[in-house]
Amino acid sequence: SYELTQPPSVSVSPGQTASITCSGDKLGDKYASWYQHKPGQSPVVVMYQDTKRPSGIPERFSGSNSGNTATLTISGTQAMDEADYYCQAWDTGTVVFGGGTKLTVL
Amino acid sequence: EVQLVESGGGLVQPGGSLRLSCAASGFTISTYWMHWVRQVPGKGLVWVSRIESDGITTRYADSVWGRFTISSDNAKNTLYLQMNSLRDEDTAVYYCARDGGSSSSGYMDVWGKGTTVTVSS
Repeated sequence: SYELTQPPSVSVSPGQTASITCSGDKLGDKYASWYQHKPGQSPVVVMYQDTKRPSGIPERFSGSNSGNTATLTISGTQAMDEADYYCQAWDTGTVVFGGGTKLTVL
Repeated sequence: EVQLVESGGGLVQPGGSLRLSCAASGFTISTYWMHWVRQVPGKGLVWVSRIESDGITTRYADSVWGRFTISSDNAKNTLYLQMNSLRDEDTAVYYCARDGGSSSSGYMDVWGKGTTVTVSS
């Protein structure tokens, strides 16, 4: 079965750039989406179809996808961005999530 | 306001059954693909099942295939997940989600708050 691999944790200082990667076989041939999930809340899509930012998501969020790796980049990271982030893709008609990355802003 | 509200979670013994509901408002589920996603406490998101806008075409994760059934009632604008032969490992928070792309390259743009299922004797 298809697998997406994310680093378990990423740390960033406020105001700096955070990059969260998601790796999968030929992931660049698929669309990647990204979700932000804070404790006690519902997940929120922050990026879809690799580079599209939903309405209401700050411009500091951006995405890319090429080769075997999709990347979610948060520029000028703020304390409010601290959360778990999950990548997601489709494979043979089913949905696959990455294992998630805990972003710590310190 | 576009909203999804799950219900039906609870405590059930191994081998038992439970039916989850997801009431939609602000949009019509018959025009979207819909998903169920679960999360074991402290673990990551795991996709469970989807149903296409035709209300007929469905897919399941291997871990639930043959035990869970996804369905929808357009008149009630509600999504369901019938869960049979429940196992300890099915314990999780279950979310329903709308697929904004409604295709096999879609994404989940609306999520419910989740309902908790606990399988334990």
